[in-house]
Amino acid sequence: DIVMTQSPDSLAVSLGERATINCKSSQSLLSTSNYKNYLAWYQQKPGQPPKLLISWASIRESGVPDRFSGSGSGTDFTLSIGSLQAEDVAVYYCQHYYNAPLTFGGGTKVEI
Amino acid sequence: EVQLVDSGGGLVQPGGSLRLSCSASGFTFGNYWMNWVRQAPGKGLEWVANIDRDGTSKYYVDSVKGRFTISRDNAKTSVFLQMNNLRADDTAVYYCVRGDWAPFDCWGQGTLVAVSS
Repeated sequence: DIVMTQSPDSLAVSLGERATINCKSSQSLLSTSNYKNYLAWYQQKPGQPPKLLISWASIRESGVPDRFSGSGSGTDFTLSIGSLQAEDVAVYYCQHYYNAPLTFGGGTKVEI
Repeated sequence: EVQLVDSGGGLVQPGGSLRLSCSASGFTFGNYWMNWVRQAPGKGLEWVANIDRDGTSKYYVDSVKGRFTISRDNAKTSVFLQMNNLRADDTAVYYCVRGDWAPFDCWGQGTLVAVSS
C-alpha cells in the first residue's frame, strides 16, 4: 500500500502570508505511461465534505483561486497558498489515486 | 447540476448491519467508477471501496474486506454499501464520491454511521 505522509500537522499563518504544505508518498506517483502524477489536494471546512482543489499534482480546478498552487513529482509534493485569506482556514489533504487502496495523507490544519 | 445524495446512516449495535445508498444526478452515472470514503469523528479521510462502471470490478480497504460490499444499479443511478458485522471503529461519516482512478471531483454530503451498544 502507498503511504501518504503530510507535514506539518498544523500551521498558523498570518493573513496575506504564504502557507506551504508538504506531502510525501512511499512510492512514486508518476506514471511511466502518461507521465502524469496521480496526486490530488483537497480542502475541507468544518461540517462540509472535502473539495477538490488540485488534480494531477498541479492542475487547479475550475473556480479555485489562483493563490492555490500545487507542485512536485514522483514522491514529493507541495501545496502552496500564496496569500492566505480568512476563508482558507481549513484542513488540507493530499491523496493518491495511482492504485488500490487509494490513500489520503493525515491532513494539515491551517489556521490564522 | 452534478449531485450525490447519501442516505441510510444511523445508530446500530456492534455486529449489526446497515445499507448505505447514494443517488446520483446531473451526469452520466454509468460512465464513472464510484467510491465510498469515510471519516471518523475528528479524524482524517479513509477510502473504503470503489466499483467500476458496470459493477464487475470492486476494490476494498483491508479493514472492511469480507464485511462490506459495494454495488451499483446504473438504471437507478445509485451506488450502495452493504455493511455487515459492524464494529465500533466503523463509526464515521460515510461519503459517496465520484472518481475513476482520477481525482474525486464530486462528493455527497455524507451520512453518519454510529456503531454503539
